[in-house]
Amino acid sequence: AQSVTQPDIHITVSEGASLELRCNYSYGATPYLFWYVQSPGQGLQLLLKYFSGDTLVQGIKGFEAEFKRSQSSFNLRKPSVHWSDAAEYFCAASGYSTLTFGKGTMLLVSP
Amino acid sequence: DADVTQTPRNRITKTGKRIMLECSQTKGHDRMYWYRQDPGLGLRLIYYSFDVKDINKGEISDGYSVSRQAQAKFSLSLESAIPNQTALYFCATSDYKGQETQYFGPGTRLLVL
Repeated sequence: AQSVTQPDIHITVSEGASLELRCNYSYGATPYLFWYVQSPGQGLQLLLKYFSGDTLVQGIKGFEAEFKRSQSSFNLRKPSVHWSDAAEYFCAASGYSTLTFGKGTMLLVSP
Repeated sequence: DADVTQTPRNRITKTGKRIMLECSQTKGHDRMYWYRQDPGLGLRLIYYSFDVKDINKGEISDGYSVSRQAQAKFSLSLESAIPNQTALYFCATSDYKGQETQYFGPGTRLLVL
């Protein structure tokens, strides 16, 4: 069965520090991969997506993600975190016309 | 105006009551989805529809039903609400030409007492 794993439930990062959120997937073939962000009380906003081609994808708000087939990973990164990045982040994968979500990683930003 | 709207945004109901959550979209997408979000569990798919005549069960369809009234409208019903259906419900849409990128509504927060 398809699955998406986000190993970290919570992560705390100092403002200005770099960020990496981990995501691993288990699919029969390479799925389409997504990162969404959910700010408190809000819906989900698409940050970026990977379909094929260049394994480093750029998204909105200064985020990027790297697809590594050998590790079945699609980790999200940002070089310098801002207090407004505090939110919950969801990795998702699609291979059969529906999305499978990870359980989310809550990002806390300390001053 | 928002592309995907959900009504109501918040709802409190009692055990055993029937309740309907509605979703409308102006994106012109064929595909629509209903998810529920619970703390620590992420989003789980309840039902999805690829066109007006197509309805499919998702991971957690028990206790729910749906209706696709038109391309732009997809409703979720709880025939007899129970407390463990208290959750945040999201509607989403996608276009098969968009390689499954889904766009989400703002959510409906449901409390079943």
